Amino acid sequence: AQKITQTQPGMFVQEKEAVTLDCTYDTSDQSYGLFWYKQPSSGEMIFLIYQGSYDEQNATEGRYSLNFQKARKSANLVISASQLGDSAMYFCAMREGNYKLSFGAGTTVTVRA
Amino acid sequence: KAGVTQTPRYLIKTRGQQVTLSCSPISGHRSVSWYQQTPGQGLQFLFEYFSETQRNKGNFPGRFSGRQFSNSRSEMNVSTLELGDSALYLCASSLKSSPYGFDEQFFGPGTRLTVL
Repeated sequence: AQKITQTQPGMFVQEKEAVTLDCTYDTSDQSYGLFWYKQPSSGEMIFLIYQGSYDEQNATEGRYSLNFQKARKSANLVISASQLGDSAMYFCAMREGNYKLSFGAGTTVTVRA
Repeated sequence: KAGVTQTPRYLIKTRGQQVTLSCSPISGHRSVSWYQQTPGQGLQFLFEYFSETQRNKGNFPGRFSGRQFSNSRSEMNVSTLELGDSALYLCASSLKSSPYGFDEQFFGPGTRLTVL
């Protein structure tokens, strides 16, 4: 079974608007970590934000925030005030107690001027 | 501080050959992980090394192997290349290695391998 599901293959967003990228996960572990990465066309992965399974507050990092709904096993990324440079592929990932990151299929975001 | 470097950046090989990819982590980082990225399978975990020990391995055949040196630099080797091994191979390093907690991995730019 897929551990990370990203149901939106691609999204368009107008510059300066907010966009929400969906991510659901599947685990039976109590302790796990959720990550979001950005991959521009250059290929390298850029860490954006982290949420621990025991963190009670939603994580925020500048224009990025993570809407963590533990009971629904959901960890959506919200990008506020989109910029042209936000156009990229975005990956949701999870680490359980085995060191490795499991990635979703990714969502391509295109920001329109 | 220099980031994660990977060499070479691009590589073209033919079926049956073998290839070695190199990854130099950020100075002081002891954990190195390798990932394969393809359009069909997405990002898949290959293996992770910490202080020269492999701690976990993904579901890849034995043709894929790796090692880590005492300076934390890591190499990945693929023997008897197949067409399906064409992919972007990403290396990531982190300072320590937490099994599930916050442990920011810094990724390199990747090596794009094409198998003809």
